Amino acid sequence: SQTIHQWPATLVQPVGSPLSLECTVEGTSNPNLYWYRQAAGRGLQLLFYSVGIGQISSEVPQNLSASRPQDRQFILSSKKLLLSDSGFYLCAWAPGVVYGYTFGSGTRLTVV
Amino acid sequence: QQQVKQSPQSLIVQKGGISIINCAYENTAFDYFPWYQQFPGKGPALLIAIRPDVSEKKEGRFTISFNKSAKQFSLHIMDSQPGDSATYFCAASTPDTGGFKTIFGAGTRLFVKA
Repeated sequence: SQTIHQWPATLVQPVGSPLSLECTVEGTSNPNLYWYRQAAGRGLQLLFYSVGIGQISSEVPQNLSASRPQDRQFILSSKKLLLSDSGFYLCAWAPGVVYGYTFGSGTRLTVV
Repeated sequence: QQQVKQSPQSLIVQKGGISIINCAYENTAFDYFPWYQQFPGKGPALLIAIRPDVSEKKEGRFTISFNKSAKQFSLHIMDSQPGDSATYFCAASTPDTGGFKTIFGAGTRLFVKA
C-alpha cells in the first residue's frame, strides 16, 4: 500500500534562518507531488506541484522553493525565513490523472 | 471564477442531528468534487467525492448532494457523532497538465455536542 512520510512534525525557526522540509512517498512510482500551506484556521493554499523529477510548478511567488531530486521525494526550502512563513505545511501525492489527494501528517512551522 | 465558496464557517450540531455544509462554484470545467475531513494537527483525508453526472452519492452516514444547474453541492452528515467533530473542506478539481488542479473551500469547523 502507498504511504506518505513528512518530517519534521514541528519546527521552530528564527527569522532569517534556512528551511528544509522533506516528503517521501512509498509504494508507488511517478506520483504527482504537492506542497500546500494552511494558515491558522484557514483553507489550503497550493504552493508547488511536480509531475516528475526536476519538474516544479510554482503557484504563488514567495520566499519558498521546491525541488524533486528523486521520483518519490519532494523538498520544500527557503534560504531566509520570514515571520509570514509560519503555518502548517502539508505534502500530498496523487496518482497522475486519477483525482484525489493523499496528504501527509503535516509540519507545524513557527518562525520567531 | 476559480473560487469555491463554502458555508458556514462553523457549525454546532447536537449528537444524532444532521450536519449540512454547502459549497458553490462557478467554473463549469470542474468535474470532480471531493470532501476532505481534517482533525486538529493532522493532514486532511479524503472523505467522499462525486462527479457531476450524478446528483447524489452516499457512503455510510455521509451524503453528497450535487446540483449541476445551480453549481452547488453539499455534504450531509446523518446521525452526527462527537467523533465527527473536525474541519471539513469541499473542493473542486479540473484536469490540468500532467494531472489535475484543485481549488479548496475555506473550510467548516464542525462541533458535535454530546
